[in-house]
Amino acid sequence: AQKVTQAQTEISVVEKEDVTLDCVYETRDTTYYLFWYKQPPSGELVFLIRRNSFDEQNEISGRYSWNFQKSTSSFNFTITASQVVDSAVYFCALSVTGRRALTFGSGTRLQVQP
Amino acid sequence: EPEVTQTPSHQVTQMGQEVILRCVPISNHLYFYWYRQILGQKVEFLVSFYNNEISEKSEIFDDQFSVERPDGLNFTLKIRSTKLEDSAMYFCASSWASASYEQYFGPGTRLTVT
Repeated sequence: AQKVTQAQTEISVVEKEDVTLDCVYETRDTTYYLFWYKQPPSGELVFLIRRNSFDEQNEISGRYSWNFQKSTSSFNFTITASQVVDSAVYFCALSVTGRRALTFGSGTRLQVQP
Repeated sequence: EPEVTQTPSHQVTQMGQEVILRCVPISNHLYFYWYRQILGQKVEFLVSFYNNEISEKSEIFDDQFSVERPDGLNFTLKIRSTKLEDSAMYFCASSWASASYEQYFGPGTRLTVT
């Protein structure tokens, strides 16, 4: 069975601070895929990134960066110089080959104060 | 940019009534999904659909639920006899392929059962 843990329920930062959202996953599969989704106050789920288990390179996209470490089963997400528009709930998710379902973590609510 | 659409955005129904939630997936996608999110909780997988049949379903997806792609365009979720605990946000998603590909989510339908 797959499991995703996001231990941080809520984080509050002041604009321009850097913030890291933690994600720890569990799976026995050797091939798997990790995702981050953003859920702004309007409620939709916005895809941010996909990573496969064979690619441990970190990725940077503008102010966003992701750190994938198989040794610790973690796929952490960092927002640099946070902005008010980053306020949202962020979900980490996992899928494995042969299954269709995404297994989501419980989400981290990020509040960026002006 | 293509997107998943869902109607209605909000549905209020009485306990015991049947509801049909509608989705139009992204046109060249082959896999379709329904998820639900009870208020303030994680996103939970319900069912996936491929090649006109259910390819995977969760324990939540019991006999009260059914899915259909009636016309090659719409993808529907039917709840035969709604219960209070069915109140949730229901998200439709689609992907070009299965586990390895990101799923794109619609804006959701908020179902309120009274």
